[in-house]
Amino acid sequence: AQSVSQHNHHVILSEAASLELGCNYSYGGTVNLFWYVQYPGQHLQLLLKYFSGDPLVKGIKGFEAEFIKSKFSFNLRKPSVQWSDTAEYFCAVNSGYALNFGKGTSLLVTP
Amino acid sequence: DTGVSQNPRHKITKRGQNVTFRCDPISEHNRLYWYRQTLGQGPEFLTYFQNEAQLEKSRLLSDRFSAERPKGSFSTLEIQRTEQGDSAMYLCASSITTGGYYGYTFGSGTRLTVV
Repeated sequence: AQSVSQHNHHVILSEAASLELGCNYSYGGTVNLFWYVQYPGQHLQLLLKYFSGDPLVKGIKGFEAEFIKSKFSFNLRKPSVQWSDTAEYFCAVNSGYALNFGKGTSLLVTP
Repeated sequence: DTGVSQNPRHKITKRGQNVTFRCDPISEHNRLYWYRQTLGQGPEFLTYFQNEAQLEKSRLLSDRFSAERPKGSFSTLEIQRTEQGDSAMYLCASSITTGGYYGYTFGSGTRLTVV
């Protein structure tokens, strides 16, 4: 069965610091990969997705992620975080019709 | 397009009672999904509809859970004889595919508390 592992459960950064959130998945076939964000009190929103092609994917709000097939990884990055990036971040991989989500990483950005 | 709408936003019920949640997907989306999210966890897949057909169910969906999507529009999720372990956020999502996979749009969820 597919699984998704997010390495960091809680991350605290100062504004302007760089961000990298780890995500590894276990699946031997073709995968579609996603990062979702959940701001406090809001619903899950799609940050970016990878289906095929260029392994470096750019999403909204300055986020990007790199698919490294050999490492089964899809890490999320942002060069300079803002206080408004405080949120829960979820990595997900599709499994048939369903998405398998990681447990999430809670990011707190301090002024 | 007003997004995916879920009602109610919050539901408190006594153990043993039945509850029903409603999801209105984005109108042109033919696929609809239900997920459950508990504290500290990512969303867990429950079931999936394509139009009115329920095509996949997770083993998490016990016999006390039933979902319907009559006429391929809105969907309902019913939990019978609720247990405290059913307390969670129930999320609905919808999507449309025309030969590809485009990701979901999630609703804000229904938070269920079983007391």
